[in-house]
Amino acid sequence: GAVVSQHPSRVICKSGTSVKIECRSLDFQATTMFWYRQFPKQSLMLMATSNEGSKATYEQGVEKDKFLINHASLTLSTLTVTSAHPEDSSFYICSARWRGSGSYEQYFGPGTRLTVT
Amino acid sequence: TQLLEQSPQFLSIQEGENLTVYCNSSSVFSSLQWYRQEPGEGPVLLVTVVTGGEVKKLKRLTFQFGDARKDSSLHITAAQPGDTGLYLCAGDGNQFYFGTGTSLTVIP
Repeated sequence: GAVVSQHPSRVICKSGTSVKIECRSLDFQATTMFWYRQFPKQSLMLMATSNEGSKATYEQGVEKDKFLINHASLTLSTLTVTSAHPEDSSFYICSARWRGSGSYEQYFGPGTRLTVT
Repeated sequence: TQLLEQSPQFLSIQEGENLTVYCNSSSVFSSLQWYRQEPGEGPVLLVTVVTGGEVKKLKRLTFQFGDARKDSSLHITAAQPGDTGLYLCAGDGNQFYFGTGTSLTVIP
């Protein structure tokens, strides 16, 4: 299957600072990548859809000025959490869309655990 | 709005037991995927079902797509502790929608 990497896997930052998370599709080109947030033992909450070369589409309730998304190439999307606060602490997961044999499939990165102190 | 409802939400069973997880929706999907996620990791794709009524088997796991392509089930035979995790269904419609999740614990 397709491989998606995320970096860093864990990050601890102080309140008020910004953190950038990278998501890369390693062996395929992804015109669309997705960013999710997940709380313990809960499903994934879609934050935004990132299309290469255009502005991201944010889900309702997600602040686009706080969660900056850039999809500069077909293999890289970044999520920057600006002016982080403790309530932003969460598990952030990216995924990349790939057309398999007749259907679209999503492959996920390993996630980034963000802790804001 | 959660388009895909999974049941049960939590399930704790003894090793060797069988179980079924359901994924239901009122919407039609062109395809449906099942993922398993372990704590601290990203979801891992288990299977994609495309055709209504389709049944796919992956060792002790059996996946079925409903005839109307609105629902799906995952059946695990003789569960093992290694099956423990969060199981997520996801449907590909106008967007990609995730189910509410089923947290499975298999007790040795």
